[in-house]
Amino acid sequence: EIVMTQSPATLSVSPGETATLSCRASQSVSTNLAWYQQKPGQAPRLLISGASSRATGIPPRFSGSGSGTEFTLTISSLQSEDFAVYYCQQHNNWPHTFGQGTKLDIK
Amino acid sequence: QVQLQESGPGLVKPSETLSLTCAVSGYSISSGYYWSWIRQPPGGGLEWIGSIYHNGGTYYSPSLESRVTMSVDTSKNQFSVKLSSVTAADTSVYYCASHAGYYLYWGQGTLVTVSS
Repeated sequence: EIVMTQSPATLSVSPGETATLSCRASQSVSTNLAWYQQKPGQAPRLLISGASSRATGIPPRFSGSGSGTEFTLTISSLQSEDFAVYYCQQHNNWPHTFGQGTKLDIK
Repeated sequence: QVQLQESGPGLVKPSETLSLTCAVSGYSISSGYYWSWIRQPPGGGLEWIGSIYHNGGTYYSPSLESRVTMSVDTSKNQFSVKLSSVTAADTSVYYCASHAGYYLYWGQGTLVTVSS
C-alpha cells in the first residue's frame, strides 16, 4: 500500500498571500495524483487531477506540480473561501490512498 | 450532471452489518467509471473503502477486505456496500463517489453511528 504524507498538518497564512502544501508518496505514483478541498460539513471537491490539471471551474490561483513521489499544491492570492482542509490522493495503485490532510488556517 | 445520493440507517448496533446504497442520477452506471465508497470518522481524514466497476469487478481496502462487500444494480442505477461486524471505530460519514482514478463526483455523505 502506498502511504501518502502531507505537510504541514496545519498552515497559517494571511489572505492575499501564497500557500504551499506538500504531499509525498512512499513510492512513485507517476502523475496519478489528485488534490481535493474540503470545507466543514461538505464533501471533498476535486481541485487538481493528473498532478497539475485543474478541474472544471477551479480558479487559476490553484496550481499543482510534481511527479513521482513529490507533489505541491500552490494557492496564490488566498481568498477567504480558500481556508479549508486539503487532501492529496494517489490512484496509481490499488488501494487508492489519501494523505492525512493539511488544514489551511487564517493567520 | 452526475449526482449521487447515499441512503441507509444512521444507527447500527455493534457486531451487526452496516448497509448503504448510493443512487446515481444523470449518468448510467453501465457507461463506465468506477463506483466507490469512502469514509471519514468525526474530525478525521478520508479512508478509501473500495470500488466496483459496472461489471461487478471489485477492489477493496486491505484493512477492511474481510468485512466489506460491494455490489451494483444496473437496473436501478445504484450501488451498495455492506460492512459486517461493525464496532464503534466504524462510526463515520460515508461518502459514495465516482472516479476515473480521481474522484470527480461525490454524494453529500451520510453519518453512520455504531452504538447500542
